Amino acid sequence: DSGVTQTPKHLITATGQRVTLRCSPRSGDLSVYWYQQSLDQGLQFLIHYYNGEERAKGNILERFSAQQFPDLHSELNLSSLELGDSALYFCASSVVDGYGYTFGSGTRLTVV
Amino acid sequence: GNSVTQMEGPVTLSEEAFLTINCTYTATGYPSLFWYVQYPGEGLQLLLKATKADDKGSNKGFEATYRKETTSFHLEKGSVQVSDSAVYFCALRSAGAQKLVFGQGTRLTINP
Repeated sequence: DSGVTQTPKHLITATGQRVTLRCSPRSGDLSVYWYQQSLDQGLQFLIHYYNGEERAKGNILERFSAQQFPDLHSELNLSSLELGDSALYFCASSVVDGYGYTFGSGTRLTVV
Repeated sequence: GNSVTQMEGPVTLSEEAFLTINCTYTATGYPSLFWYVQYPGEGLQLLLKATKADDKGSNKGFEATYRKETTSFHLEKGSVQVSDSAVYFCALRSAGAQKLVFGQGTRLTINP
């Protein structure tokens, strides 16, 4: 157990639907990062939050949004889902900077 | 922009063989370099890291040396085991940045 908890582990949904992925960071970590892992794109950085504030955005689609709550857990919202959104979505956390990333075990999203 | 290029896999070796997985990078300044390992069904785990030129990261028998002159961070292990079968990712973090930039990953299979 890495200390970073992601739920659910698996999600199957239909095109056009909306889902929410949840991440609880390791105790004491203020930063949360979201990554998408797909077969064709590899691991892509989506977004970074630090203590509730958005710090950096990567290749995140407009249909996707995220937030970090006061208790530091984070949610990634994916809407108007397309087949190409099927991927593994990872959350990682760190205390302050990027050295000590700890990854969760991911949420596998399948859009049918 | 910053990028990481890994040798293409999959790589298949026999137990006790010598392993090298090549990784080269493109980045401005002096990035930190990382190797992550992903076992089946799990998230990414930090294997080793190096933060400046000529640093050698090591862990669990794996080693990698930060070579600025060749912009490389090749992963090596003298004698691999079946339990080393996994996907290995090389990654960099630019100075002052938070996100990691990953290579495409190399799938390693070790046969008994």
